[in-house]
Amino acid sequence: GENVEQHPSTLSVQEGDSAVIKCTYSDSASNYFPWYKQELGKGPQLIIDIRSNVGEKKDQRIAVTLNKTAKHFSLHITETQPEDSAVYFCAASKGAGNMLTFGGGTRLMVKP
Amino acid sequence: DAGVTQSPTHLIKTRGQHVTLRCSPISGHKSVSWYQQVLGQGPQFIFQYYEKEERGRGNFPDRFSARQFPNYSSELNVNALLLGDSALYLCASSWGRADYNEQFFGPGTRLTVL
Repeated sequence: GENVEQHPSTLSVQEGDSAVIKCTYSDSASNYFPWYKQELGKGPQLIIDIRSNVGEKKDQRIAVTLNKTAKHFSLHITETQPEDSAVYFCAASKGAGNMLTFGGGTRLMVKP
Repeated sequence: DAGVTQSPTHLIKTRGQHVTLRCSPISGHKSVSWYQQVLGQGPQFIFQYYEKEERGRGNFPDRFSARQFPNYSSELNVNALLLGDSALYLCASSWGRADYNEQFFGPGTRLTVL
């Protein structure tokens, strides 16, 4: 089955700096890669996703890149703010509506 | 618009007991998936239901079962609870199972087994 690895497990940045989280996946048939943000006591919130037919997608301060050949994808957050502090999860699936396999999560701390 | 709702919010049970968790999907969504999130880890897939039929099952023992009702709400049942079943149980809904049907999560039910 699919295996998703995520690095780093914790990331501390100064407010205004950029943050990058990286994930690798094992199943070349996976074609949908969402990123979720989970705040304390809440469920995961979808923040951005990318499908295998594109290499990059951007939404304001957040961008995701995908390298299908190397089977890795990354989340980039620019101009970080304290409210970006949370746990971020990457995931992979064969289609958005199907079973998601999650990475282990990255705890992002943005210091004011 | 109301998002995915789950009940109860928190639950404390003892080993060997049975538990039922409930989920109401976003209005119009026909697919419900259940995930288990152990503290400090990513969610793990348990079940997916679409149009009231099981469409996927993760690597969980037969003590775990689920069903989906005609109104697309869902129940997750766990029998003979073990200490290791303590986790946040998440429900996610999507319109369907197609590639463009993103999944949205509820707040979860925190289960503690003593």
